[in-house]
Formats: sequence, C-alpha cells, structure tokens
Amino acid sequence: KNQVEQSPQSLIILEGKNCTLQCNYTVSPFSNLRWYKQDTGRGPVSLTIMTFSENTKSNGRYTATLDADTKQSSLHITASQLSDSASYICVVSARNSGGYQKVTFGIGTKLQVIP
Amino acid sequence: DSGVTQTPKHLITATGQRVTLRCSPRSGDLSVYWYQQSLDQGLQFLIQYYNGEERAKGNILERFSAQQFPDLHSELNLSSLELGDSALYFCASSPQREGPYEQYFGPGTRLTVT
Repeated sequence: KNQVEQSPQSLIILEGKNCTLQCNYTVSPFSNLRWYKQDTGRGPVSLTIMTFSENTKSNGRYTATLDADTKQSSLHITASQLSDSASYICVVSARNSGGYQKVTFGIGTKLQVIP
Repeated sequence: DSGVTQTPKHLITATGQRVTLRCSPRSGDLSVYWYQQSLDQGLQFLIQYYNGEERAKGNILERFSAQQFPDLHSELNLSSLELGDSALYFCASSPQREGPYEQYFGPGTRLTVT
C-alpha cells in the first residue's frame, strides 16, 4: 500500500532558527516528490518538485533533499520567519500500470514560528 | 494568487442535498484536479481531468462526479450529501497531463453540511 508519513506532526521554533521536516514514503514505482506549504484555510503552494535523479533542490530558504534508496525526503528551512508558520505537506507520485499517476499526500507537519 | 479560481467560496447546505462546485484553471492549463480536505486531515485526491477527458481517479465516492467542459473549466457535483462531506474542496491545475509539473491550487470551497 502506498503511504507517506511525515514527522514531526507539529513543531514550534523560535524566529531565526533552522528546522528540518521529514517525509518517509513507501510509494512505488516512484515518479516524483513535492513539498507544499499550506497556510490555514488556503490552497497549498508548491515549494519544490524532485524526480528520481535529483537529490537536492532549493527554493530560497527552503531546501529539499531526496534519498530514493531509503525512500526518505527532508525539507530544511533556514533562518525561519513568522510567515513560515503553516502546514508543510509531502506528496509522492507513483506511476501505475495504466500509465496514470497515483498521488499520495502526507498529512503534513504543522510548523509554528514564534517571536 | 495562483490564477485558479473557485466558486463559491463558502457553501452551507443540508444533508441529502446536491451541490456543484466550480473551478476555472489557469489560462493555458489543460489538467484539472479535485481534492478534498476534511478538518485536520490531509488532502485526498479525488479525480483528474485532462483536456476534457477523465485521466485519473482517486478516492472519489460514487455520490460525487465531475466533468471538464470544452472551455476547460470543471465542475464537481456532490449529491446525497452527508455530514461527513463537510470539508474544504480544492481544485488545482497544471499545464500537462502528468509528470513533475507544478500544480497550482485554487483558494478552495468550504462546504458545510448541516
């Protein structure tokens, strides 16, 4: 069964500090992995997209890593800001036998950045 | 602003009723996706359309149906509504049929079933 597990479920950090969010998946055959940021009550916004051959991708203060062998990804946030307070969702796509993409969402990590 | 629009923003209806949610994708995007997000739950993929044709199905109930019109806007129809259908419904669009292409999410429709 395709699964995406994220940890921690929630996290509180001080403004200016760094943090790392984890994503483990069992999705197969792997197609791509995305990290999204979702502010409360709003639609998710894409941060990074990685395919099998990519192991690091940056978007400003956000850096995602992917280890396809261990099926793990992490999202590192540097010098956190109050506006980073949001849910961060890991999404993994698999290609099934029909050529379609099966998309599995993690439940997200709720990050709160405090002054 | 992602360029994806959804209407209505909020919808309150009673159990057993039927509602239609509307989505207009970004200009030029051919793929439309529908997602459901219940309170404190993760996003659940419902269905994808590409250029008017159903492309992929997720955890969509038989009471739910969708379509994509020639002008590429999409509608999600929810019928025989139950209390458990209360959720945020998001539409997303992307330029391609599949692959590592970014999906742009709309602001969502909040459905409350009473």
